[in-house]
Amino acid sequence: GEKVEQHESTLSVREGDSAVINCTYTDTASSYFPWYKQEAGKSLHFVIDIRSNVDRKQSQRLIVLLDKKAKRFSLHITATQPEDSAIYFCAATEGADRLTFGKGTQLIIQP
Amino acid sequence: NAGVIQTPRHKVTGKGQEATLWCEPISGHSAVFWYRQTIVQGLEFLTYFRNQAPIDDSGMPKERFSAQMPNQSHSTLKIQSTQPQDSAVYLCASSLEVSNERLFFGHGTKLSVL
Repeated sequence: GEKVEQHESTLSVREGDSAVINCTYTDTASSYFPWYKQEAGKSLHFVIDIRSNVDRKQSQRLIVLLDKKAKRFSLHITATQPEDSAIYFCAATEGADRLTFGKGTQLIIQP
Repeated sequence: NAGVIQTPRHKVTGKGQEATLWCEPISGHSAVFWYRQTIVQGLEFLTYFRNQAPIDDSGMPKERFSAQMPNQSHSTLKIQSTQPQDSAVYLCASSLEVSNERLFFGHGTKLSVL
């Protein structure tokens, strides 16, 4: 089945700098790649996604890049703010429906 | 819209006891997913339903875990003869359609098996 690897378990950046979280996947048939955010003590909520028919998507300060050849996708958070501190999970579809998640990246925004 | 509602928020059971976890998906959502979250394993898929029908339960430990969705407004996950390794946060999520749609997660049920 699909395996999703999230390369950084912890990432620390200064407030205002950019943060990049990288993920790789194994199933060439995967076509949907969402990202979720989990703040301390809270559940996951959706932040942004990208589908395999495009290689870049931006929503305000969030940019997702997809490299299908390398089976790699990444989340870029620009101009980081304290409220960006959280655990970020990448995911990929397995088959048509279910999502397989990475292990998560703890993003720390330093003042 | 109250979002996905999971009850109870916390459940403590003794080894060998049964635990039933409840999920109320967002009204109008046709797909319901169950995941388990632990520090070591991360987020593990358990099972999902589409329009109340079970579609894929390949992530469920077969012998002691079962899930049902008797109507469109709730789903249950039952764990029989709970073991310490079942301790985890069990997350329920729903989505409008099944394929390639964002999931809305509940707050989870933290199960502690003593």
